[in-house]
Amino acid sequence: GNSVTQMEGPVTLSEEAFLTINCTYTATGYPSLFWYVQYPGEGLQLLLKATKADDKGSNKGFEATYRKETTSFHLEKGSVQVSDSAVYFCALSGSWGKLQFGAGTQVVVTP
Amino acid sequence: SQTIHQWPATLVQPVGSPLSLECTVEGTSNPNLYWYRQAAGRGLQLLFYSVGIGQISSEVPQNLSASRPQDRQFILSSKKLLLSDSGFYLCAWSRPQGGTEAFFGQGTRLTVV
Repeated sequence: GNSVTQMEGPVTLSEEAFLTINCTYTATGYPSLFWYVQYPGEGLQLLLKATKADDKGSNKGFEATYRKETTSFHLEKGSVQVSDSAVYFCALSGSWGKLQFGAGTQVVVTP
Repeated sequence: SQTIHQWPATLVQPVGSPLSLECTVEGTSNPNLYWYRQAAGRGLQLLFYSVGIGQISSEVPQNLSASRPQDRQFILSSKKLLLSDSGFYLCAWSRPQGGTEAFFGQGTRLTVV
Protein backbone atom coordinates (compact mmCIF):
# COMPACT_ATOMS: atom_id res chain seq x y z
CA GLY A 1 0.00 0.00 0.00
CA ASN A 2 0.86 3.66 -0.09
CA SER A 3 2.96 5.21 2.64
CA VAL A 4 4.68 8.48 3.45
CA THR A 5 7.70 8.91 5.67
CA GLN A 6 8.83 12.30 6.86
CA MET A 7 11.52 13.37 9.25
CA GLU A 8 10.63 13.52 12.89
CA GLY A 9 10.58 16.77 14.76
CA PRO A 10 10.60 19.05 16.40
CA VAL A 11 12.88 21.04 14.17
CA THR A 12 14.07 24.19 15.94
CA LEU A 13 15.55 27.00 13.88
CA SER A 14 16.51 30.62 14.27
CA GLU A 15 14.77 33.23 12.19
CA GLU A 16 16.22 33.56 8.67
CA ALA A 17 17.69 30.04 8.78
CA PHE A 18 17.28 27.52 5.96
CA LEU A 19 14.61 24.88 6.45
CA THR A 20 14.49 21.40 4.94
CA ILE A 21 11.94 18.74 5.82
CA ASN A 22 12.56 15.39 4.18
CA CYS A 23 9.69 13.37 2.78
CA THR A 24 9.82 10.05 0.94
CA TYR A 25 6.97 7.91 -0.27
CA THR A 26 6.02 4.51 -1.59
CA ALA A 27 3.11 4.21 -3.94
CA THR A 28 1.76 2.33 -6.90
CA GLY A 29 1.43 4.45 -9.99
CA TYR A 30 2.15 8.17 -10.02
CA PRO A 31 0.34 9.95 -7.24
CA SER A 32 0.06 13.66 -6.73
CA LEU A 33 2.12 14.94 -3.81
CA PHE A 34 1.27 17.66 -1.32
CA TRP A 35 2.58 19.61 1.60
CA TYR A 36 0.06 20.82 4.15
CA VAL A 37 0.61 23.14 7.10
CA GLN A 38 -1.27 23.13 10.39
CA TYR A 39 -1.16 26.05 12.79
CA PRO A 40 -2.07 25.39 16.44
CA GLY A 41 -5.72 24.53 16.93
CA GLU A 42 -6.55 24.82 13.26
CA GLY A 43 -7.29 22.57 10.31
CA LEU A 44 -4.84 21.80 7.54
CA GLN A 45 -4.03 24.27 4.80
CA LEU A 46 -2.59 23.25 1.48
CA LEU A 47 0.87 24.75 1.16
CA LEU A 48 1.93 23.42 -2.24
CA LYS A 49 1.48 20.51 -4.60
CA ALA A 50 3.04 18.67 -7.52
CA THR A 51 1.15 16.38 -9.84
CA LYS A 52 3.89 14.73 -11.88
CA ALA A 53 7.57 13.89 -11.85
CA ASP A 54 9.96 16.88 -11.89
CA ASP A 55 7.16 19.31 -11.08
CA LYS A 56 8.13 21.96 -8.56
CA GLY A 57 5.44 23.26 -6.24
CA SER A 58 6.00 26.61 -4.58
CA ASN A 59 4.12 28.98 -2.31
CA LYS A 60 5.01 31.61 0.30
CA GLY A 61 8.74 31.00 -0.21
CA PHE A 62 8.42 27.23 0.25
CA GLU A 63 9.40 24.83 -2.53
CA ALA A 64 9.32 21.10 -3.14
CA THR A 65 10.22 19.07 -6.23
CA TYR A 66 8.61 15.77 -7.17
CA ARG A 67 11.54 13.37 -7.56
CA LYS A 68 10.38 10.08 -9.01
CA GLU A 69 13.85 8.51 -9.07
CA THR A 70 14.31 8.98 -5.33
CA THR A 71 10.58 8.89 -4.49
CA SER A 72 11.00 12.09 -2.54
CA PHE A 73 9.26 15.44 -2.10
CA HIS A 74 11.43 17.44 0.30
CA LEU A 75 10.17 20.80 1.53
CA GLU A 76 12.57 23.76 1.61
CA LYS A 77 12.51 27.41 2.52
CA GLY A 78 15.48 29.68 2.27
CA SER A 79 14.75 32.04 5.17
CA VAL A 80 12.17 31.12 7.77
CA GLN A 81 10.18 33.52 9.91
CA VAL A 82 8.66 33.11 13.34
CA SER A 83 5.27 32.93 11.63
CA ASP A 84 6.38 29.71 9.88
CA SER A 85 6.20 27.86 13.19
CA ALA A 86 3.68 25.09 12.60
CA VAL A 87 3.33 21.38 11.89
CA TYR A 88 4.03 20.36 8.29
CA PHE A 89 2.55 17.25 6.70
CA CYS A 90 3.65 15.53 3.53
CA ALA A 91 0.89 13.61 1.73
CA LEU A 92 0.13 11.70 -1.43
CA SER A 93 -3.14 11.09 -3.19
CA GLY A 94 -4.58 7.63 -3.53
CA SER A 95 -7.73 6.22 -5.01
CA TRP A 96 -10.89 8.32 -4.66
CA GLY A 97 -8.80 11.29 -3.59
CA LYS A 98 -7.91 9.74 -0.27
CA LEU A 99 -4.78 11.26 1.19
CA GLN A 100 -2.02 9.27 2.85
CA PHE A 101 -0.21 11.52 5.33
CA GLY A 102 3.17 11.40 6.94
CA ALA A 103 3.35 11.72 10.71
CA GLY A 104 3.97 15.47 10.58
CA THR A 105 7.00 17.54 11.48
CA GLN A 106 6.76 20.31 14.02
CA VAL A 107 8.84 23.36 13.15
CA VAL A 108 9.70 25.95 15.79
CA VAL A 109 11.30 29.20 14.66
CA THR A 110 12.82 31.40 17.35
CA PRO A 111 13.51 35.13 17.01
CA SER B 1 -15.44 30.04 -4.27
CA GLN B 2 -15.74 26.89 -2.23
CA THR B 3 -15.97 26.83 1.54
CA ILE B 4 -16.22 24.09 4.11
CA HIS B 5 -17.88 24.48 7.48
CA GLN B 6 -17.42 22.15 10.38
CA TRP B 7 -19.00 22.39 13.81
CA PRO B 8 -18.79 22.50 16.72
CA ALA B 9 -15.22 23.68 17.18
CA THR B 10 -14.86 22.06 20.60
CA LEU B 11 -16.90 19.46 22.40
CA VAL B 12 -16.64 17.77 25.78
CA GLN B 13 -18.80 14.69 26.12
CA PRO B 14 -19.13 12.01 28.81
CA VAL B 15 -18.33 8.39 28.11
CA GLY B 16 -21.36 6.57 26.77
CA SER B 17 -23.04 9.67 25.33
CA PRO B 18 -23.93 10.03 21.63
CA LEU B 19 -22.00 12.15 19.14
CA SER B 20 -22.93 14.09 16.03
CA LEU B 21 -20.42 16.24 14.14
CA GLU B 22 -21.54 18.00 11.02
CA CYS B 23 -19.72 19.22 7.97
CA THR B 24 -21.08 21.11 4.96
CA VAL B 25 -19.44 22.25 1.76
CA GLU B 26 -20.54 25.20 -0.35
CA GLY B 27 -19.72 26.24 -3.88
CA THR B 28 -19.14 22.83 -5.45
CA SER B 29 -21.18 19.84 -6.56
CA ASN B 30 -20.68 16.13 -6.00
CA PRO B 31 -17.52 16.49 -3.93
CA ASN B 32 -15.69 13.58 -2.40
CA LEU B 33 -16.00 13.96 1.37
CA TYR B 34 -13.74 12.67 4.14
CA TRP B 35 -13.51 12.39 7.90
CA TYR B 36 -10.02 12.24 9.40
CA ARG B 37 -8.96 11.93 13.01
CA GLN B 38 -5.79 13.33 14.47
CA ALA B 39 -4.77 11.89 17.84
CA ALA B 40 -2.62 14.10 20.07
CA GLY B 41 0.89 14.48 18.66
CA ARG B 42 0.22 12.07 15.80
CA GLY B 43 -0.60 12.12 12.15
CA LEU B 44 -3.94 11.95 10.43
CA GLN B 45 -5.95 8.78 10.03
CA LEU B 46 -8.69 8.51 7.44
CA LEU B 47 -11.90 7.27 9.05
CA PHE B 48 -14.52 7.50 6.31
CA TYR B 49 -14.90 8.73 2.79
CA SER B 50 -17.88 9.24 0.52
CA VAL B 51 -18.14 9.68 -3.24
CA GLY B 52 -21.88 10.34 -3.31
CA ILE B 53 -25.11 10.60 -1.34
CA GLY B 54 -25.61 7.54 0.83
CA GLN B 55 -22.25 6.05 -0.22
CA ILE B 56 -19.94 5.61 2.76
CA SER B 57 -16.72 3.66 2.98
CA SER B 58 -15.06 2.94 6.29
CA GLU B 59 -11.30 2.75 6.45
CA VAL B 60 -10.89 1.42 9.98
CA PRO B 61 -13.16 -0.56 12.28
CA GLN B 62 -14.29 1.58 15.14
CA ASN B 63 -17.01 2.95 17.31
CA LEU B 64 -17.98 5.66 14.83
CA SER B 65 -20.21 5.86 11.78
CA ALA B 66 -20.73 8.38 9.01
CA SER B 67 -23.63 9.42 6.85
CA ARG B 68 -24.14 11.63 3.82
CA PRO B 69 -27.81 12.60 3.66
CA GLN B 70 -27.26 15.38 1.12
CA ASP B 71 -24.69 16.01 -1.59
CA ARG B 72 -22.69 18.50 0.44
CA GLN B 73 -23.38 17.32 3.98
CA PHE B 74 -21.30 14.79 5.87
CA ILE B 75 -22.04 13.69 9.43
CA LEU B 76 -19.89 11.75 11.87
CA SER B 77 -21.78 9.93 14.62
CA SER B 78 -21.48 7.60 17.52
CA LYS B 79 -24.15 5.97 19.68
CA LYS B 80 -21.88 5.63 22.71
CA LEU B 81 -18.58 7.43 23.00
CA LEU B 82 -15.46 5.81 24.39
CA LEU B 83 -12.50 7.54 26.02
CA SER B 84 -10.41 6.47 23.04
CA ASP B 85 -12.65 8.53 20.73
CA SER B 86 -11.02 11.73 22.00
CA GLY B 87 -9.12 13.59 19.33
CA PHE B 88 -9.19 16.26 16.69
CA TYR B 89 -11.65 15.47 13.89
CA LEU B 90 -11.26 17.02 10.49
CA CYS B 91 -13.67 17.06 7.62
CA ALA B 92 -12.34 17.53 4.10
CA TRP B 93 -13.54 17.62 0.50
CA SER B 94 -11.93 17.12 -2.87
CA ARG B 95 -13.05 17.37 -6.46
CA PRO B 96 -14.70 14.19 -7.74
CA GLN B 97 -12.08 13.38 -10.36
CA GLY B 98 -9.54 12.38 -7.72
CA GLY B 99 -5.79 12.93 -7.64
CA THR B 100 -6.34 16.49 -6.50
CA GLU B 101 -5.83 18.26 -3.24
CA ALA B 102 -8.26 18.08 -0.37
CA PHE B 103 -9.55 21.13 1.48
CA PHE B 104 -10.02 20.90 5.19
CA GLY B 105 -12.41 22.36 7.72
CA GLN B 106 -11.21 23.98 10.91
CA GLY B 107 -11.66 20.80 12.92
CA THR B 108 -13.51 19.72 16.05
CA ARG B 109 -11.63 19.08 19.26
CA LEU B 110 -13.50 16.25 21.00
CA THR B 111 -12.71 15.35 24.59
CA VAL B 112 -14.46 12.35 26.06
CA VAL B 113 -14.47 12.43 29.87
